[in-house]
Amino acid sequence: GENVEQHPSTLSVQEGDSAVIKCTYSDSASNYFPWYKQELGKGPQLIIDIRSNVGEKKDQRIAVTLNKTAKHFSLHITETQPEDSAVYFCAASGTGTASKLTFGTGTRLQVTL
Amino acid sequence: DTAVSQTPKYLVTQMGNDKSIKCEQNLGHDTMYWYKQDSKKFLKIMFSYNNKELIINETVPNRFSPKSPDKAHLNLHINSLELGDSAVYFCASSPPGQGGEKLFFGSGTQLSVL
Repeated sequence: GENVEQHPSTLSVQEGDSAVIKCTYSDSASNYFPWYKQELGKGPQLIIDIRSNVGEKKDQRIAVTLNKTAKHFSLHITETQPEDSAVYFCAASGTGTASKLTFGTGTRLQVTL
Repeated sequence: DTAVSQTPKYLVTQMGNDKSIKCEQNLGHDTMYWYKQDSKKFLKIMFSYNNKELIINETVPNRFSPKSPDKAHLNLHINSLELGDSAVYFCASSPPGQGGEKLFFGSGTQLSVL
């Protein structure tokens, strides 16, 4: 089955700096790669996703890049703000009703003033 | 409010008891899931239902039994609770035609088995 590794497990940045979280996956058949943000006491929330036919996608201060050959993808957050502090999860899956998301182990991002 | 809602939010119980967690979504989604998040925050799928039909059943003890009375509801019943069942359980749903993608999560049920 799919295996997703995520690094780093914790990340502390100063407000205004950029943050980068990296993930690798094992199954070359995976073609959908979402990122979720989980705030304290809440469920994970989808913030951005990318499909295998795209190399990069951007939405305001967040961007995701995908390298299918190397089987890795990354989340980039620019101009970080205190409200970006949360646990971030990458995930990978195929498509179709029976597909399932395999999540990375999470990165706790702390944005300090 | 349109959302995935699950109850209860907190559940504290003794070992050996039987308990249920309820989940409802009013997003019109076809597929619903149960995920387990352990103390290290690791998220793992347990079950997935599409239009009331079980489509994913991971390696979960038989003590866990999901039930979907209709496509808007997916409940989780747990028999003979064990200490290791302590975790946060999340219900989720995904839009039609996007099984396995774009999950909408509930706010979780924190289960503590004493």
